[in-house]
Amino acid sequence: SQQGEEDPQALSIQEGENATMNCSYKTSINNLQWYRQNSGRGLVHLILIRSNEREKHSGRLRVTLDTSKKSSSLLITASRAADTASYFCAPGTGANNLFFGTGTRLTVIP
Amino acid sequence: DVKVTQSSRYLVKRTGEKVFLECVQDMDHENMFWYRQDPGLGLRLIYFSYDVKMKEKGDIPEGYSVSREKKERFSLILESASTNQTSMYLCASTFFSGDQETQYFGPGTRLLVL
Repeated sequence: SQQGEEDPQALSIQEGENATMNCSYKTSINNLQWYRQNSGRGLVHLILIRSNEREKHSGRLRVTLDTSKKSSSLLITASRAADTASYFCAPGTGANNLFFGTGTRLTVIP
Repeated sequence: DVKVTQSSRYLVKRTGEKVFLECVQDMDHENMFWYRQDPGLGLRLIYFSYDVKMKEKGDIPEGYSVSREKKERFSLILESASTNQTSMYLCASTFFSGDQETQYFGPGTRLLVL
């Protein structure tokens, strides 16, 4: 399967805390992307990390990638209520398509 | 600005009806996708297309067909709607540059089959 698998399935934290989500995949990749989906809305691309990168930052987001373990993590620092959403990882194989897992449902409690 | 539009946000159909879901992108992307999203199952790929008049089956193509007559438009067809096709349907198109692909999604169509 080319899809990523997110873990945990659900995560609930207090506002201001950090949230960490993990992704595992099975194929060789060129890159790995993280997306967010707010309830009832479409998916939004968050960040892409290339296979030759180990860590990448974007605002409050920090993504790591370990290709030897075929895993990635997404860290959201100083979480806000607006971060409440489902988060998906998508391994990019360079084959012009992305496959998504079931996602991690993050709830940030104000 | 990137834009993917879907013809309806909400749709109610009866079992056995033929249903058309339209998706249009204005970014000149070659690759387009149809997913369905169900609670606990995440996103599942139904069909995708890499070019005009070209289509490929995804993970769950049964009960669906697609049409790509023009580059900007990718239609999902439910030949005879069934209640188990009640779901959120998401269309997407992909920008591909080098080894990077970025997928842009439409707002989704929530379909209820009675």
